[in-house]
Amino acid sequence: AQSVAQPEDQVNVAEGNPLTVKCTYSVSGNPYLFWYVQYPNRGLQFLLKYITGDNLVKGSYGFEAEFNKSQTSFHLKKPSALVSDSALYFCAVRDETSGTYKYIFGTGTRLKVLA
Amino acid sequence: KAGVTQTPRYLIKTRGQQVTLSCSPISGHRSVSWYQQTPGQGLQFLFEYFSETQRNKGNFPGRFSGRQFSNSRSEMNVSTLELGDSALYLCASTPGSRIGTDTQYFGPGTRLTVL
Repeated sequence: AQSVAQPEDQVNVAEGNPLTVKCTYSVSGNPYLFWYVQYPNRGLQFLLKYITGDNLVKGSYGFEAEFNKSQTSFHLKKPSALVSDSALYFCAVRDETSGTYKYIFGTGTRLKVLA
Repeated sequence: KAGVTQTPRYLIKTRGQQVTLSCSPISGHRSVSWYQQTPGQGLQFLFEYFSETQRNKGNFPGRFSGRQFSNSRSEMNVSTLELGDSALYLCASTPGSRIGTDTQYFGPGTRLTVL
């Protein structure tokens, strides 16, 4: 079965510094990968996705993610963190089983950007 | 376009009761998925409905059920509530045509507390 892992429960970074939120995946076949962000008392918001093509995917709010097939990773990055980026981040992968599809989410990583 | 709406936003029930949650997708979206979010488990997929038919199902007991109406609005029902059902229930909609690669648009969630 397909799965994703977010190895860090929390990531702290100073405002203005680059940030990385890690995600590794395990899939058979082509990986379809997603990043979502959740602000307090809100649903998840889509940031970006990798379906095929360039390994570097650019998304909303200045975020980007690098797909690395050899390391089975899809880390989320931003060159310069803002305090407003503080939120809960989820990585997700498409799971295909017997011709049906669903999304498998990681357990989330809480990003705290310190002023 | 209006976003995904969920009602009610907050709900308090006691063990043994049943509850119905409602989700209205983005206009034109035909697929609605439901997730349970808890601090320890992250997002767990419950089921997905497309054109009034359950297309995918997660690993939840039969106490959890759903349905979709002809206008794509969906309801989720949990019978015989248990303390462990306390969670944030999220629904997400997609156009439904590109299974597994569509971007999901999430509602704000219904916070269910079981006493």
